Amino acid sequence: SAVISQKPSRDICQRGTSLTIQCQVDSQVTMMFWYRQQPGQSLTLIATANQGSEATYESGFVIDKFPISRPNLTFSTLTVSNMSPEDSSIYLCSVLAGTYEQYFGPGTRLTVT
Amino acid sequence: DQQVKQNSPSLSVQEGRISILNCDYTNSMFDYFLWYKKYPAEGPTFLISISSIKDKNEDGRFTVFLNKSAKHLSLHIVPSQPGDSAVYFCAATKTSYDKVIFGPGTSLSVIP
Repeated sequence: SAVISQKPSRDICQRGTSLTIQCQVDSQVTMMFWYRQQPGQSLTLIATANQGSEATYESGFVIDKFPISRPNLTFSTLTVSNMSPEDSSIYLCSVLAGTYEQYFGPGTRLTVT
Repeated sequence: DQQVKQNSPSLSVQEGRISILNCDYTNSMFDYFLWYKKYPAEGPTFLISISSIKDKNEDGRFTVFLNKSAKHLSLHIVPSQPGDSAVYFCAATKTSYDKVIFGPGTSLSVIP
């Protein structure tokens, strides 16, 4: 198993600003994922972050809006840039453990006003 | 296009009875299925999984059944406990594919 922490746990931000979310894992992992859960919706994969390479973004998500860093095997950041109220969501990081099972962090609840 | 569907947004069950959560998928290439449980203000927690080569997998009070021909799986919780009250997500993926597709979730309430 893996223990994952995220910072901040929640934030309220103004339109047009940016927020960087940190994800820390207690063990070295190759693949890390960033998800978004909008109110009343399921988990949507934003991007896959591998150490030492550019993140791979899913359809509908772009690097300019959601830049990701992965400086080492235990840490990653997701930035939500130029925020609008539509970006209000829970943002979750996860890591792959086992074959397909993922462990998730507690999430960052973002509200954009 | 929603590839993983959970048509019941919510379910209410009496303590001690069976909870049955259903999930349907459309992509016949999916060959591995997972269930996650999520409490408020926490991230999803992996619960149980099943490979397409099986039709049943059991772990304590939790059993997952897979019907490939119907593209349907279900999670059975017996007996249900108040601590099981949470949102349950069905998820699917295919071998050698690192992306997991999640369903919209079913909110389970177990009434004491």
